[in-house]
Amino acid sequence: KNQVEQSPQSLIILEGKNCTLQCNYTVSPFSNLRWYKQDTGRGPVSLTIMTFSENTKSNGRYTATLDADTKQSSLHITASQLSDSASYICVGQGSYIPTFGRGTSLIVHP
Amino acid sequence: DAEITQSPRHKITETGRQVTLACHQTWNHNNMFWYRQDLGHGLRLIHYSYGVQDTNKGEVSDGYSVSRSNTEDLPLTLESAASSQTSVYFCASSEGGTNEKLFFGSGTQLSVL
Repeated sequence: KNQVEQSPQSLIILEGKNCTLQCNYTVSPFSNLRWYKQDTGRGPVSLTIMTFSENTKSNGRYTATLDADTKQSSLHITASQLSDSASYICVGQGSYIPTFGRGTSLIVHP
Repeated sequence: DAEITQSPRHKITETGRQVTLACHQTWNHNNMFWYRQDLGHGLRLIHYSYGVQDTNKGEVSDGYSVSRSNTEDLPLTLESAASSQTSVYFCASSEGGTNEKLFFGSGTQLSVL
């Protein structure tokens, strides 16, 4: 059965600090992994996609990594802002329907 | 701009009543999905459709049904609402293919009393 596990479940940091969110996946066959950001009261929005051949990809202050050997991905947020407060969801994609992680809730305090 | 809209945003109903949540997308996407989101569970798939007249059960489909009569709409029906179905419901659509990106609606908060 395909699975996606995220850690930590929740995280509180001060504005301006960096943080890293983790995602372990078991998706077979593996096609890609997406990170979504979900603001409170809104639907998730795609931040970035990592395919099998990609190791690192940046989108502004967000940098995603993928290690296909260990089946791990991370999302690093640099110089956090209050607007980064949200839930971050890791989603593994194989041949069929995507497999969702439960998300990491990030709170950025001023 | 293309979009995906859900209605209503909030709904309160009583146990045993039939409820229908609407989902409409203007992306012309073939794939549409319904998820529920509860604390501690994340997003769980209820039903999905790969095109007109196609519907499939997800992991938590009991008590729910969908129909796909056109490309734009995938209404979700709770045949006889139960308190366990109190949740936030999200509709999503995608083009399809292995790199598919899901586009989500803003959700419907359903309370069953």
